Amino acid sequence: NAGVTQTPKFQVLKTGQSMTLQCAQDMNHNSMYWYRQDPGMGLRLIYYSASEGTTDKGEVPNGYNVSRLNKREFSLRLESAAPSQTSVYFCASSALGNTEAFFGQGTRLTVV
Amino acid sequence: AQSVTQLDSHVSVSEGTPVLLRCNYSSSYSPSLFWYVQHPNKGLQLLLKYTSAATLVKGINGFEAEFKKSETSFHLTKPSAHMSDAAEYFCVVSDRGTYKYIFGTGTRLKVLA
Repeated sequence: NAGVTQTPKFQVLKTGQSMTLQCAQDMNHNSMYWYRQDPGMGLRLIYYSASEGTTDKGEVPNGYNVSRLNKREFSLRLESAAPSQTSVYFCASSALGNTEAFFGQGTRLTVV
Repeated sequence: AQSVTQLDSHVSVSEGTPVLLRCNYSSSYSPSLFWYVQHPNKGLQLLLKYTSAATLVKGINGFEAEFKKSETSFHLTKPSAHMSDAAEYFCVVSDRGTYKYIFGTGTRLKVLA
């Protein structure tokens, strides 16, 4: 049972480079999320997709874009990476907003 | 608007003594509340959840939490700490229909031998 799968697990970028973080879930969940985790700040919501075909900004969307490719997949794109985007990124999915979210193992991104 | 406040950023207990991790929330509607645990360099695992059934919720590994609407609290407890409980714990709130999960800033639990 894979659950939520994120790729890659680690990435180092130079300032100004672009990249896409991939996320896929196999639980037939409607909602998917991208968070970033920074020390002392908990997890902050970047973007979410309540259902296939919709996306909305979260708390810290600047510098990011997302695509809900289909019900299974939700990608996060950094168009021009900045050192402030060094973080651990988590993808999550849930059946409904009031049930629990399931998280991937995270992507550790370093921008130099 | 939803928000979560975890009252302690660090908690230290001795092995075998009780654990109390405090969480207060703010929510416009009937909230769902969760506690997640994160061990070092790992993902997040659900400990327990409150979704409007019993106010005393039991979770995995002997943890439990009580939803107190009058105090807007959802504190996490365990009668006897184990070394393996050392981790970071997150309190999370979700309002029905908003589809968003709002995290507290986390409490790092240290268990002393």
